[in-house]
Amino acid sequence: EAQLVESGGGLVQPGGSLRLSCAASGFTLSKYWMSWVRQAPGKGLEWVANIKQDGSEKYYVDSVKGRFTISRDNAKNSLYLQMNSLRVEDTAVYYCAREDIYYDSSGAIEYYLDHWGQGTLVTVSS
Amino acid sequence: AIQMTQSPSSLSASVGDRVTITCRASQGIRNDLGWYQQKPGRAPKVLIYAASSLQSGVPPRFSGSGSGTDFTLTISSLQPEDSASYYCLQDHIYPRTFGQGTKVEIK
Repeated sequence: EAQLVESGGGLVQPGGSLRLSCAASGFTLSKYWMSWVRQAPGKGLEWVANIKQDGSEKYYVDSVKGRFTISRDNAKNSLYLQMNSLRVEDTAVYYCAREDIYYDSSGAIEYYLDHWGQGTLVTVSS
Repeated sequence: AIQMTQSPSSLSASVGDRVTITCRASQGIRNDLGWYQQKPGRAPKVLIYAASSLQSGVPPRFSGSGSGTDFTLTISSLQPEDSASYYCLQDHIYPRTFGQGTKVEIK
């Protein structure tokens, strides 16, 4: 069965950096788009970024563009999120998630998040 | 970015009740919408994708409908284990956006 395990969270000062990792097992990582989603304490879910199977396409929410970088190493079955210039508002639990495909009403390929990790907490505070 | 407006923000219902949660997109998104359930302290779990397709292993009391801008998640007969928060997510255009969530409580 597919499993995702995040690591790398912790306490960091504003302006600092942190690198999150997501270890994938039970499936072939290279066949799937992958996403990061975050949830601030007591708040809702926010999609952060995703990356294509070969790393050639990446998309980000505006609030992290230029500060966060998503990457992957399929040979190591791992997904990463490099977070720089961290802000207090980046404090959240960060989840990695696998994207499975479906065909929408127009026949276009679309994606949904079918497997999620348990999350890792990032706290940005002085 | 597409805004996803979810309602209600919370509800309280009895076991066996029919529960409906709605999500409205700020522009048409075809059927590019999923519904996710999250219990406290747990990761989200997909219930519905493509607006109306039931994810494998999800009980059939959950159903989804809608296309374009208006979508609905229905729980046909609420069970105690359905106490959770529910979120819609559009995957039509980047950035993907979630609704603000609906907290479902059991009376």
